[in-house]
Amino acid sequence: DTAVSQTPKYLVTQMGNDKSIKCEQNLGHDTMYWYKQDSKKFLKIMFSYNNKELIINETVPNRFSPKSPDKAHLNLHINSLELGDSAVYFCASSLLATAYEQYFGPGTRLTVT
Amino acid sequence: AQTVTQSQPEMSVQEAETVTLSCTYDTSENNYYLFWYKQPPSRQMILVIRQEAYKQQNATENRFSVNFQKAAKSFSLKISDSQLGDTAMYFCAYSLYNNNDMRFGAGTRLTVKP
Repeated sequence: DTAVSQTPKYLVTQMGNDKSIKCEQNLGHDTMYWYKQDSKKFLKIMFSYNNKELIINETVPNRFSPKSPDKAHLNLHINSLELGDSAVYFCASSLLATAYEQYFGPGTRLTVT
Repeated sequence: AQTVTQSQPEMSVQEAETVTLSCTYDTSENNYYLFWYKQPPSRQMILVIRQEAYKQQNATENRFSVNFQKAAKSFSLKISDSQLGDTAMYFCAYSLYNNNDMRFGAGTRLTVKP
């Protein structure tokens, strides 16, 4: 009965590689998000999707691309990984596109070597 | 731009005692939401409490309550009867009423000591 799930939970890869993180929510929510939490625990929104439309993009490098095959999924693709991409990435969802509580996934710890 | 400030990087409290975590925010808007999220060592982000800015009454959830001072732009979290399971990072967050661009503070690491 997991609400928001992410795979994998841990990802170790080398610089220059391309990787994807998957996210799925079974809450029937309209909006999904990706956040990045850096080593200092600072949490910053990267993207959000509402009905397959990107509605927020916080000046994230274009090496990062969200892809939403349907309302329940929002995957994060990262090309040409860099050392600075190492962080914990959280997926989240909310019922509406307006301000509402967000439900977070367990996070994916990405380590780039 | 809306910003959220948590001035206490770390705090500790004895089990069963009360602790208050501070949060201030900067906004020129009138309609918004404020949140406290908890992140235990398991890394999961868990919503603790939510406050609508238009409500004067402070939100309460069991042992957790807030002191919302809209004029002062202050939103502190009080944890009563602290339990060992309350040990976590606590994040204050702000979001405008008509969008979902949620802004988080830097977090306060709370340790509950036995």
